[in-house]
Amino acid sequence: DGGITQSPKYLFRKEGQNVTLSCEQNLNHDAMYWYRQDPGQGLRLIYYSQIVNDFQKGDIAEGYSVSREKKESFPLTVTSAQKNPTAFYLCASSISRISYEQYFGPGTRLTVT
Amino acid sequence: DQQVKQNSPSLSVQEGRISILNCDYTNSMFDYFLWYKKYPAEGPTFLISISSIKDKNEDGRFTVFLNKSAKHLSLHIVPSQPGDSAVYFCAASASTGNQFYFGTGTSLTVIP
Repeated sequence: DGGITQSPKYLFRKEGQNVTLSCEQNLNHDAMYWYRQDPGQGLRLIYYSQIVNDFQKGDIAEGYSVSREKKESFPLTVTSAQKNPTAFYLCASSISRISYEQYFGPGTRLTVT
Repeated sequence: DQQVKQNSPSLSVQEGRISILNCDYTNSMFDYFLWYKKYPAEGPTFLISISSIKDKNEDGRFTVFLNKSAKHLSLHIVPSQPGDSAVYFCAASASTGNQFYFGTGTSLTVIP
């Protein structure tokens, strides 16, 4: 059963701590993406990766870091430099950069206090 | 600056009637558009798409209309069903670009 998994569903951290959100896909997709959703706002792109060992900043990359060591995995680290980390984070993938349909995971809600 | 706008945060429709969700965009380079449906605590799921070479695309109860001159697209759901109650996002992309830009979403409630 192919899809995208994100874990955990809910995550709580203290301010000043780095936290890593997991994203795994078994769709054999080349491209992967991280979005952030805040109340009343659309999805905003944090980082994307078109192939293994390559990734690009999106519109709101400050305070975040990613890695793409394997095709299936695209973890996102929310660093202590991110001023407003509390949000709903969504990971997505698509067949390739030029493929327009993105498949989304169930999301991780991060709360930082 | 929001390049894709959904000006109606919410919409309520009676079951069996038509639901019309609207989306406006500002970037004339956008040439591909998607609609996603999202239930609470879940990721969005792809619903329907349209490219700028068309002005209409239909898939069952869902039809998307594109008016390029007005930079406007709309999603029609006929007939609306209670299971259609969800948040609907439109997204736009330029073929020369690397990302989609999403609207803020419209929460549709279909009343039985």
